[in-house]
Amino acid sequence: EPEVTQTPSHQVTQMGQEVILRCVPISNHLYFYWYRQILGQKVEFLVSFYNNEISEKSEIFDDQFSVERPDGSNFTLKIRSTKLEDSAMYFCASSDRADTEAFFGQGTRLTVV
Amino acid sequence: QKEVEQDPGPLSVPEGAIVSLNCTYSNSAFQYFMWYRQYSRKGPELLMYTYSSGNKEDGRFTAQVDKSSKYISLFIRDSQPSDSATYLCAMQPGANNLFFGTGTRLTVIP
Repeated sequence: EPEVTQTPSHQVTQMGQEVILRCVPISNHLYFYWYRQILGQKVEFLVSFYNNEISEKSEIFDDQFSVERPDGSNFTLKIRSTKLEDSAMYFCASSDRADTEAFFGQGTRLTVV
Repeated sequence: QKEVEQDPGPLSVPEGAIVSLNCTYSNSAFQYFMWYRQYSRKGPELLMYTYSSGNKEDGRFTAQVDKSSKYISLFIRDSQPSDSATYLCAMQPGANNLFFGTGTRLTVIP
């Protein structure tokens, strides 16, 4: 069964460092998303991406964040200068249309120390 | 006012019980409704997807949507210990991002 895969599963980084979280969406999907979940809190939308550009972003997705689809399969989230409050689970998701169900990856746990 | 309200629980039931999980919402623009299951420190796993008022059944799971009351439910029949997880409702106002509830933690006791 096709699935969204994310790497790494766990990333520990020092405050101020750059991190790149990687995702391989389901192959025939066209819409890609990043969500995050701070421990004990709800899943929150960060950004959606379609046709090689951001289609929507939340207030959380500030200038420290960027997304890229560097090739035909990968979708990345970069955090330029990590802060302690960036510690969370980051989930990538994809869907074949904008108004259909999104399938989530297993997440990357980011710990900023 | 929160967009999506969900009782966080925790909810404990004996094996075989019928479980009822609920969410309310305030935004009448929401058109698509989903239920996800999330095991500890894992990604949300899609269980049910609906876009109209009424019931949708899939095995032991039934999703119910009442748009007039802005209320959705997930029923689990013959609950099993493997159903123990956090259940997230999520909603979408058309072609936009998902809005999640806080999740309800369910434990099914053997």
